[in-house]
Amino acid sequence: QVQLQESGPGLVKPSQTLSLTCTVSGGSISSGSYYWSWIRQPAGKEVEWIGHIYTSGSIKYNPSLKSRVTFSVDTSKNQFSLKLRSVTVADTAVYYCARGSRVAAAGYYFDYWGQGTLVTVSS
Amino acid sequence: QSVLTQPASVSGAPGQRVTISCTGSTSNIGAGYDVHWYQQLPGTAPKLLIYANNNRPSGVPDRFSGSKSGTSASLAITGLQAEDEAEYYCQSYDISLSGSQFGGGTKLTVL
Repeated sequence: QVQLQESGPGLVKPSQTLSLTCTVSGGSISSGSYYWSWIRQPAGKEVEWIGHIYTSGSIKYNPSLKSRVTFSVDTSKNQFSLKLRSVTVADTAVYYCARGSRVAAAGYYFDYWGQGTLVTVSS
Repeated sequence: QSVLTQPASVSGAPGQRVTISCTGSTSNIGAGYDVHWYQQLPGTAPKLLIYANNNRPSGVPDRFSGSKSGTSASLAITGLQAEDEAEYYCQSYDISLSGSQFGGGTKLTVL
């Protein structure tokens, strides 16, 4: 059974960098054909895809966040990470990591999710 | 505003059937990309309910079903139960994002 767990600071000051790590257990992030993803959900608002790292290492970011976000992978620790620079209060949200499994045509669905971690941007 | 449009809310009495629509465009559902559905209970992560338009993961009751036609998709729930009260989201691949797009979510109330 695959499990994902987010970790990182719950409070970040405006203009600083938000950093989160997702630790995966029950499966290797470097095997199979999966899209290891970050997703966020501001309170009472829509779910927003932040981006993904494919098993091969290719990365896609949501164009709305591309200028501020960076993903990385540490296969030795079976972790992938998110850095979001120059945060504002609008970046306050529950951040989830998830595994995307490919469908035949194209795209993928998220079959495993972390429990989510609330990150608040405030001075 | 999401490019996948869902009704903000739907409701039904126990035992009834409800449907939730998800309307997209030619850059996502209409381009042939599959639609997936999630159920989110308060304070928890979304849970996969339907994948690839009409497939249920193991453990999801057959009261839940999905369909897709043209630029839209629907989630149907039959035999409504109190435990079905939750937020429901559709999701698909979007060409303009080169990634995933979620619908705005639909709050299901069991009367």
